[in-house]
Amino acid sequence: DTAVSQTPKYLVTQMGNDKSIKCEQNLGHDTMYWYKQDSKKFLKIMFSYNNKELIINETVPNRFSPKSPDKAHLNLHINSLELGDSAVYFCASRGQGNQPQHFGDGTRLSIL
Amino acid sequence: AQSVSQHNHHVILSEAASLELGCNYSYGGTVNLFWYVQYPGQHLQLLLKYFSGDPLVKGIKGFEAEFIKSKFSFNLRKPSVQWSDTAEYFCAVTVNTGGFKTIFGAGTRLFVKA
Repeated sequence: DTAVSQTPKYLVTQMGNDKSIKCEQNLGHDTMYWYKQDSKKFLKIMFSYNNKELIINETVPNRFSPKSPDKAHLNLHINSLELGDSAVYFCASRGQGNQPQHFGDGTRLSIL
Repeated sequence: AQSVSQHNHHVILSEAASLELGCNYSYGGTVNLFWYVQYPGQHLQLLLKYFSGDPLVKGIKGFEAEFIKSKFSFNLRKPSVQWSDTAEYFCAVTVNTGGFKTIFGAGTRLFVKA
């Protein structure tokens, strides 16, 4: 029943590793997002995809690469993890036009 | 560039106190406005939204917000807060600049003392 689901919920790993976070939405939405929320709760948009095409790519290190195999999925792959990557990553989706976004539960990434 | 400002980063209130959280945006065109709430350890959830019509909108859990176009503001209010309202509150604005773009404010952390 979950509208926007992310896996894993927690991810603890060492510096230098490569990891992926998956996101799926069953709302039939065309647009999906990845956000990074730091320890001060500031929410920063990273990427936005519309119908599998990248439409927003904010200033994000190229170690972060989104992949959208279909419009219901938007995965985030991170290479060579760094300490500063520790944060909660939220996936979100939006329907047509100006509708509100629906957020996943977040993935808490901790880099040791 | 478009931006959203939330004036208060931290607010501490006692139960039953009235709440008003400020939100201002910078964009001269048509906007759609939202308030989201994030309870501790949870994801963002929509509290209320304004698209058009009555500038005073009512949301869930007794929250309301008023759109004042001349002030570019969309302040969130609740007459009497409860301990369970402790959360982070985000104001967001969607603009259409050839495609819909949503900008979030930095958030306001509300702590309600029991």
